[in-house]
Amino acid sequence: DVKVTQSSRYLVKRTGEKVFLECVQDMDHENMFWYRQDPGLGLRLIYFSYDVKMKEKGDIPEGYSVSREKKERFSLILESASTNQTSMYLCASSSSPWLSNYGYTFGSGTRLTVV
Amino acid sequence: AQKVTQAQTEISVVEKEDVTLDCVYETRDTTYYLFWYKQPPSGELVFLIRRNSFDEQNEISGRYSWNFQKSTSSFNFTITASQVVDSAVYFCARSSGSARQLTFGSGTQLTVLP
Repeated sequence: DVKVTQSSRYLVKRTGEKVFLECVQDMDHENMFWYRQDPGLGLRLIYFSYDVKMKEKGDIPEGYSVSREKKERFSLILESASTNQTSMYLCASSSSPWLSNYGYTFGSGTRLTVV
Repeated sequence: AQKVTQAQTEISVVEKEDVTLDCVYETRDTTYYLFWYKQPPSGELVFLIRRNSFDEQNEISGRYSWNFQKSTSSFNFTITASQVVDSAVYFCARSSGSARQLTFGSGTQLTVLP
């Protein structure tokens, strides 16, 4: 069974902390994505990557960075967490170049609370 | 930005009622893909269907059916004889020009009451 695994289901961090959200996929997918989900706003793209060491900004990259040192792992970094980054974070992956029949495969999400 | 609009934020129905979730999209692409995903309370988005822009044939899968109308840029989702287990957030999505990315609607929270 193919999987996208996010390291934490729930996280509570303090304002100003550096936060790492990890995502690992076992499907040999080229494309990986980080979204945040907020009520009424749907899924908004933060960053994406189409290859190892490649990254591109999405629609809301401010306050975030990413790292993709290995094909299977895509990390989201909150350089200095703020309360407005409290949200559900979803990682997804897909094959390339055309979306597969399933589009994305999603992880279960990380619910981050910044206090 | 080319949007995907799900105008219904929340819908509540009683079990066994039929319900339709609306999705309207914008695109300048001639070829694109449309998707529906289901997000149950557990949080993981689950794939329901993919439709190619050049295939306007409607699709039925059990209690689920989808109506794709290119002329009105709509891709609506109907659940027949709804069940409590259908309670979830449903997202509509459209591929980008490169077909590597998806743009999502804001989601519709469906609650099916017993």
